[in-house]
Amino acid sequence: QVQLQESGPGLVKPSQTLSLTCTVSGGSITNSDYYWSWIRQAAGKGLEWIGRIYTIGSTHYNPSLQSRLIMSVDTSKNLFSLKLSSVTAADTAVYYCARVSWRYNEFDSWGQGTPVTVSS
Amino acid sequence: QSALTQPASVSGSPGQSITIPCTGTSNDVGRFDYVSWYQQHPGKAPKLMIYHVTQRPSGVSDRFSGSKSGNTASLTISGLQAEDEADYYCTSYTGSSTLVFGGGTKLTVL
Repeated sequence: QVQLQESGPGLVKPSQTLSLTCTVSGGSITNSDYYWSWIRQAAGKGLEWIGRIYTIGSTHYNPSLQSRLIMSVDTSKNLFSLKLSSVTAADTAVYYCARVSWRYNEFDSWGQGTPVTVSS
Repeated sequence: QSALTQPASVSGSPGQSITIPCTGTSNDVGRFDYVSWYQQHPGKAPKLMIYHVTQRPSGVSDRFSGSKSGNTASLTISGLQAEDEADYYCTSYTGSSTLVFGGGTKLTVL
């Protein structure tokens, strides 16, 4: 059973870069049946898709975040990462990583989520 | 990209059935059968309930079912139980190779 675990600082200052890592266990991140995604949820709000990455490195991003977003994969460590630059209070949210089926595009495994607050 | 449209809330009594619609466009829900549904209890990560419009993952109760007509997908929960009270989200693949969520629906079991 694959497990995903987010990690990273819980507090980021405005205008700085938010960096998060998702470590995958119980399965290989190079499995071509899946790709890897980030989702966030502001307090009391709905889910927002951030972006996805394949192990070959190709990415697709939410157009609203694309200019500030970089996702990457480290196959040697079985993890993938997110960097969101120029953050503001609007980026305060719980950030989830998830595994997505290549075939039907469903999020079939989720991390527990990590809260990130943007504040000085 | 615009979020898929879901009602903010629905309610039903134990034993009843409810349906949550999820309306998109001809570029997402109407074009692809890549609609999935998630259940989220407070403070928890979402859980996959339905994928590929109608398919249930192993372990998900058969009280949960999905369907699609045109640009609108729907989640139906039959035989409502207290533990079904949660937020429900739909999502769809889009023609831009992105994914988009619905705004979420809070289900209250009366």
